[in-house]
Amino acid sequence: EVQLVESGGGLVKPGGSLRLSCAASGFTFSSYSMNWVRQAPGKGLEWVSSISSSSSYIYYADSVKGRFTISRDNAKNSLYLQMNSLRAEDTAVYYCARDTPVDVWGQGTTVTVSS
Amino acid sequence: EIVLTQSPDFQSVTPKEKVTITCRASQSIGSSLHWYQQKPDQSPKLLIKYASQSFSGVPSRFSGSGSGTDFTLTINSLEAEDAATYYCHQSSSLPRTFGQGTKVEIK
Repeated sequence: EVQLVESGGGLVKPGGSLRLSCAASGFTFSSYSMNWVRQAPGKGLEWVSSISSSSSYIYYADSVKGRFTISRDNAKNSLYLQMNSLRAEDTAVYYCARDTPVDVWGQGTTVTVSS
Repeated sequence: EIVLTQSPDFQSVTPKEKVTITCRASQSIGSSLHWYQQKPDQSPKLLIKYASQSFSGVPSRFSGSGSGTDFTLTINSLEAEDAATYYCHQSSSLPRTFGQGTKVEIK
């Protein structure tokens, strides 16, 4: 079964850091580009970042550029999102998502930035 | 940045009725427009890719059309399980963007 499982979410103070992980299974992870997409409470979907299959191409939304870093480890079938200098407006459910268009979504992990 | 504007924002529909949701792009995106369904407390699911291609396993009552700047998602003969929020999404250029969503409620 094709599956993406996120972890690492939680409550963090403004200015703090968090590292999200996404474990992939059931498919050849190294063959796919991957994404992070977030959804603030009661709001719509927002693309955050993308990384190509070999990490050659990396892109970020302006809202997170310079603060977030996407990476992947194909040997471990894992995707990561290092989030620094977190702000209240980063509070959201963060989804790990496969390919473009996204054809597989994880269940999401919740990040809450609050003092 | 390409802005996607969906209409309507909300629609209350009777079962078996036909539903039409439109998505307008702020500039031409060819056919790089995709549709997702998100039910409450669930992750989104891909319905239609590249404007009109049905994704595997999606019921045939869902269809998409359009190109350039104007796109449509049609649900023929709405079923109760179709109550959800629907999003369009473009992959023509960076940053990737989504429409604001259309919530479909069953009367």
